[in-house]
Amino acid sequence: DTEVTQTPKHLVMGMTNKKSLKCEQHMGHRAMYWYKQKAKKPPELMFVYSYEKLSINESVPSRFSPECPNSSLLNLHLHALQPEDSALYLCASSQERGYNEQFFGPGTRLTVL
Amino acid sequence: AQSVSQHNHHVILSEAASLELGCNYSYGGTVNLFWYVQYPGQHLQLLLKYFSGDPLVKGIKGFEAEFIKSKFSFNLRKPSVQWSDTAEYFCAVNADNAGNMLTFGGGTRLMVKP
Repeated sequence: DTEVTQTPKHLVMGMTNKKSLKCEQHMGHRAMYWYKQKAKKPPELMFVYSYEKLSINESVPSRFSPECPNSSLLNLHLHALQPEDSALYLCASSQERGYNEQFFGPGTRLTVL
Repeated sequence: AQSVSQHNHHVILSEAASLELGCNYSYGGTVNLFWYVQYPGQHLQLLLKYFSGDPLVKGIKGFEAEFIKSKFSFNLRKPSVQWSDTAEYFCAVNADNAGNMLTFGGGTRLMVKP
């Protein structure tokens, strides 16, 4: 299984809502990532988890809160978002030891009203 | 910090034309290099990668790329494009001082006319 799955595919939320994005992989990868991708732009790294511990936070606002409950799951909790946070949110995973390519999920298209 | 440049933002080709997309990076140390493709409405997929060894690497769907260390380049090529190659192409670099972090280029939007 070389797949990264993400749910939901689409999410519309108001600025006062709390929602969560979910990501799952069963490739035994111990590094997992959240990216944000705006239209016609490259993915921008938000967070990196290594062995279920947050290793990189690219100065992301606190209204985005990542969580890695176990080695296969990665969540992104959203609260009090702004319309400019509307984007495609991508999850990826890779092996941790020795660099390997990142496998990307299909993304969650988020719209903040 | 390293940066990645893709100089061609939009490319329009007719079917059967040859393709070359440029990618240059700024880091002087050891790098791992990637080309990803994003077809309309689909997720990022790896086309090919270079870690070490033969600087000419072959990927899926007839794509290849050549790593030229002296030019800090990793250009993507395909001898004859098809309409189905219409997509956004991203070059990405992992530097040996950057852990697992990938730096992406700005992307090249390729349109192939049938």
